[in-house]
Amino acid sequence: AQKITQTQPGMFVQEKEAVTLDCTYDTSDQSYGLFWYKQPSSGEMIFLIYQGSYDEQNATEGRYSLNFQKARKSANLVISASQLGDSAMYFCAMREGRAGANSKLTFGKGITLSVRP
Amino acid sequence: GAGVSQSPSNKVTEKGKDVELRCDPISGHTALYWYRQSLGQGLEFLIYFQGNSAPDKSGLPSDRFSAERTGGSVSTLTIQRTQQEDSAVYLCASTTGVTSKNIQYFGAGTRLSVL
Repeated sequence: AQKITQTQPGMFVQEKEAVTLDCTYDTSDQSYGLFWYKQPSSGEMIFLIYQGSYDEQNATEGRYSLNFQKARKSANLVISASQLGDSAMYFCAMREGRAGANSKLTFGKGITLSVRP
Repeated sequence: GAGVSQSPSNKVTEKGKDVELRCDPISGHTALYWYRQSLGQGLEFLIYFQGNSAPDKSGLPSDRFSAERTGGSVSTLTIQRTQQEDSAVYLCASTTGVTSKNIQYFGAGTRLSVL
């Protein structure tokens, strides 16, 4: 079974509108971390937001927020007030186990987001 | 400060040749990861270094792949006798290794093309 599932192949959003990118995960660990990264056409992976499994509040970082629903094992990324520069590939990733040990990430297949002017 | 630096940014090689890819992590980061991004397999973990501990090589796809980290800083990923299926983007990431989040910061990658 896939550990990280991103099923939306491509998303389009109008500039200044909000968009939700879906991510579901699968793990039997109690301690884990969930990450979202952005990869523009330049290729660099840019960290956006982090949610720990024990965090009770949804994470927020500027225009990014993470809708964490632990029982459903989902960690959707919400981008508010989309900008043209948000056009990129977005990856959801998971670290299983506690941080500090080998924190290798398992990535989803990614979602392409295109922002229309 | 400087981010993770990878070189070369692009590498074209002939099948059967050896290649070396370099990663210079963020200063002070003790943990270093290599990942491979290919069209068919997505992003895959290759190898992990933490300080002076033995590396976790569990993600290396074959014995043609090896990596070392000298002085706890710069890392080199070596692919011997390259094959066409080795064509991919090789990404390096580093982290402090001690925080509760352990956020990995990535370089821009090396795009390897094996002809």
